[in-house]
Amino acid sequence: GENVEQHPSTLSVQEGDSAVIKCTYSDSASNYFPWYKQELGKRPQLIIDIRSNVGEKKDQRIAVTLNKTAKHFSLHITETQPEDSAVYFCAAMDSTLTFGKGTMLLVSP
Amino acid sequence: SQTIHQWPATLVQPVGSPLSLECTVEGTSNPNLYWYRQAAGRGLQLLFYSVGIGQISSEVPQNLSASRPQDRQFILSSKKLLLSDSGFYLCARGGASTDTQYFGPGTRLTVL
Repeated sequence: GENVEQHPSTLSVQEGDSAVIKCTYSDSASNYFPWYKQELGKRPQLIIDIRSNVGEKKDQRIAVTLNKTAKHFSLHITETQPEDSAVYFCAAMDSTLTFGKGTMLLVSP
Repeated sequence: SQTIHQWPATLVQPVGSPLSLECTVEGTSNPNLYWYRQAAGRGLQLLFYSVGIGQISSEVPQNLSASRPQDRQFILSSKKLLLSDSGFYLCARGGASTDTQYFGPGTRLTVL
């Protein structure tokens, strides 16, 4: 089955800095890669996703890149704000979604 | 809009007691439905998924079971809870593209 590794487990940045979270996957058949943001005690919320026929996707301050050859994908957040503080999960889908273990992002004012 | 309801929101149960968690979906027909568990400070583990009424696929062998008695209803059950069953249980539905999944508000279960 699919295996997803996510790094780093925690990430602290100053407000206005950029943040990058990286994930690798094992199954070359995976073709869909979503990212979720989970605030404390809340449900995970889909923030951006990318499919295997696309190399990069942007939505305002958030972007995701995918390297199919290397089997890795990354989340980029620019101009971070305190409200970006949360746990972020990557996932990869072959037949079902397999999640990474999460990255706790802390943005200090 | 397509809304997911889960109840109860929180639950405290003794070891060995039964469990029934319910998930219902509005605004869509024949959605793919999923049950995930999130242990404290951990990632999301897929427990069961269903592509239609009466169709259940189990991802992890355990003392839990799932049923889908109606198109928009997905139930997670146990006959006897274990301490290790504590966690945040999330129901999810497939979106317009079946790849995309959206989560319900979750049920926080504590087994004592």
